[in-house]
Amino acid sequence: AQKITQTQPGMFVQEKEAVTLDCTYDTSDPSYGLFWYKQPSSGEMIFLIYQGSYDQQNATEGRYSLNFQKARKSANLVISASQLGDSAMYFCAMREVNTGFQKLVFGTGTRLLVSP
Amino acid sequence: GAVVSQHPSWVICKSGTSVKIECRSLDFQATTMFWYRQFPKQSLMLMATSNEGSKATYEQGVEKDKFLINHASLTLSTLTVTSAHPEDSSFYICSATGLGTAQASNQPQHFGDGTRLSIL
Repeated sequence: AQKITQTQPGMFVQEKEAVTLDCTYDTSDPSYGLFWYKQPSSGEMIFLIYQGSYDQQNATEGRYSLNFQKARKSANLVISASQLGDSAMYFCAMREVNTGFQKLVFGTGTRLLVSP
Repeated sequence: GAVVSQHPSWVICKSGTSVKIECRSLDFQATTMFWYRQFPKQSLMLMATSNEGSKATYEQGVEKDKFLINHASLTLSTLTVTSAHPEDSSFYICSATGLGTAQASNQPQHFGDGTRLSIL
């Protein structure tokens, strides 16, 4: 089974609107971390936001927030007030504490296009 | 913030040559470094995990004799693609976690900018 599933290959949003990028995960480990990374066309991976499995509150970082629904095993990224520079690939990733060496498993990504 | 430098950013070479890619942590000591491969429009695929001073742990299906990884110091890991062929052409990207943070699940991996490898 896929550890991380991103069902949206592509998303379109108009500038200044909010957009939600979906991510579901599968793990039997009670302790894990969920990450979102942004990859512009230049290729670098930019860390956006983190959510721990024991965190009581949803993570927020500026315009990024994470809608964490533990029972549903989902960790959707919400980008508010989209900007043209938000156009990029977005990857959801999970780290299970018991895998050792803290490996990250990535989803297949969602390409976001922000239009003027 | 933590900075990881990867060099070269782009390399084109003839089939049969070996190519070395460097990954350096500039402002922190990296106990663990990860090497990923990414094909166009696909996700990152973990190739191997390297810990300073020990042999790398390769993922299933990754040829360890083809992709040599060395992590000789807390700030440098290298990936050497030996006898490269056109099918090795890809985007290779490294990441690192810092000293003392390997067990902290909330610490993000810090990525280099990647290396685009093209084998003719």
